[in-house]
Amino acid sequence: DVVMTQSPLSLPVTLGQPASISCRSSQSLVSSDGNSYLHWFQQRPGQSPRRLIYKVSNRDSGVPDRFSGSGSGTDFTLKISRVEAEDVGVYYCMQGTHWPPYTFGQGTKLEIK
Amino acid sequence: EVQLVESGGDLVQPGGSLRVSCAASGFTFSDYSMTWVRRAPGKGLEWVANINRDGSEKYYVDSVKGRFAISRDNAKNSVSLQMNSLRADDTAVYYCATGRSLSYWGQGTLVTVSS
Repeated sequence: DVVMTQSPLSLPVTLGQPASISCRSSQSLVSSDGNSYLHWFQQRPGQSPRRLIYKVSNRDSGVPDRFSGSGSGTDFTLKISRVEAEDVGVYYCMQGTHWPPYTFGQGTKLEIK
Repeated sequence: EVQLVESGGDLVQPGGSLRVSCAASGFTFSDYSMTWVRRAPGKGLEWVANINRDGSEKYYVDSVKGRFAISRDNAKNSVSLQMNSLRADDTAVYYCATGRSLSYWGQGTLVTVSS
């Protein structure tokens, strides 16, 4: 199974400051079709998860443009350009290239300092 | 608007069985594979099972193989997860989600396995 490793696991951030979450996979996520099936999800307290970014860098509809995804191969990053209060929650990366099973990172808890 | 509504979560004893379901609306259900994901208390997300569009292919995480069965009814726009031989470590909120990239999620249903 592909192991997904996120860092940091805890991320205290001052409002208005940038934030960055790293996600590394144990093997390349480039699929035979040339796509990398690496997605990012946000789970706010008391809510169900929602997808923010799909296939590395594609922002979902309704997701603020302060969220961006990048990376390739085994190294990926989710960036928030200016953290807002509503961004508090847990962020997960997930790979869908080598499945089953799909595998998630451990989660990164973002909090406001 | 896409809506996924899970139901069926309950308190069940170890070794028992439970069926959770997910009612879908707002999209052409038969065009999408469907996925179950769970989150145990204090832990992260775990992919559980996936079923393809016509129900002919089913996939499971190793920890539930032989105990859980995913099914779907395209006429009723629903997907279900039959859970047998439940264990304490199956305690979690179970979410259904659309497709392989989990584009939409339901609100979840809580399954508690405890004596």
